[in-house]
Amino acid sequence: DGGITQSPKYLFRKEGQNVTLSCEQNLNHDAMYWYRQDPGQGLRLIYYSQIVNDFQKGDIAEGYSVSREKKESFPLTVTSAQKNPTAFYLCASKKGPSYNEQFFGPGTRLTVL
Amino acid sequence: GENVEQHPSTLSVQEGDSAVIKCTYSDSASNYFPWYKQELGKRPQLIIDIRSNVGEKKDQRIAVTLNKTAKHFSLHITETQPEDSAVYFCAASNSAGSQGNLIFGKGTKLSVKP
Repeated sequence: DGGITQSPKYLFRKEGQNVTLSCEQNLNHDAMYWYRQDPGQGLRLIYYSQIVNDFQKGDIAEGYSVSREKKESFPLTVTSAQKNPTAFYLCASKKGPSYNEQFFGPGTRLTVL
Repeated sequence: GENVEQHPSTLSVQEGDSAVIKCTYSDSASNYFPWYKQELGKRPQLIIDIRSNVGEKKDQRIAVTLNKTAKHFSLHITETQPEDSAVYFCAASNSAGSQGNLIFGKGTKLSVKP
């Protein structure tokens, strides 16, 4: 799991601002995921990408956007349209469709001031 | 779509006792069931997983059981230690559908008292 990095670890944002969270992996994994974690809510899927230049919405995509221009990178933008963005954001990856295990990054804690 | 329910939400045990966390799932096509452990402020880490062609799997003090008919699976931790204190998440996925996305339970906060 040391092959997945997220930055920054802590992020503060003013209301109305967009902010981009970084996720990089050097595991040569095809699939990448973004989850949001709130207390008592488990992990909820925001967006996922099975292959470069392709991505799909998860269960709570509203107010978020992603890109997948490179295999190793899957940045998440939290837009001003996201009404309650304060949360812990986790990125994950897995080798490919026929593999099951997802590996998680260390997370980014976003706080909206 | 798949729905995963996890119980209890909190669990407190004495060191040395056993702990059991239970999950139920709704999609009979789900065939992969991992358990993740997340320490405070850290990333979730896979501790054990089971596939639908197996009823039980054990790894030292940790075991997982699966009942496909009842659509539930459980995590068993024996001889608990203070370092087992964490939040545990179960998940389910159908590797042949929904591109293998994991659906997570809401988590169980386990506290092991010395």
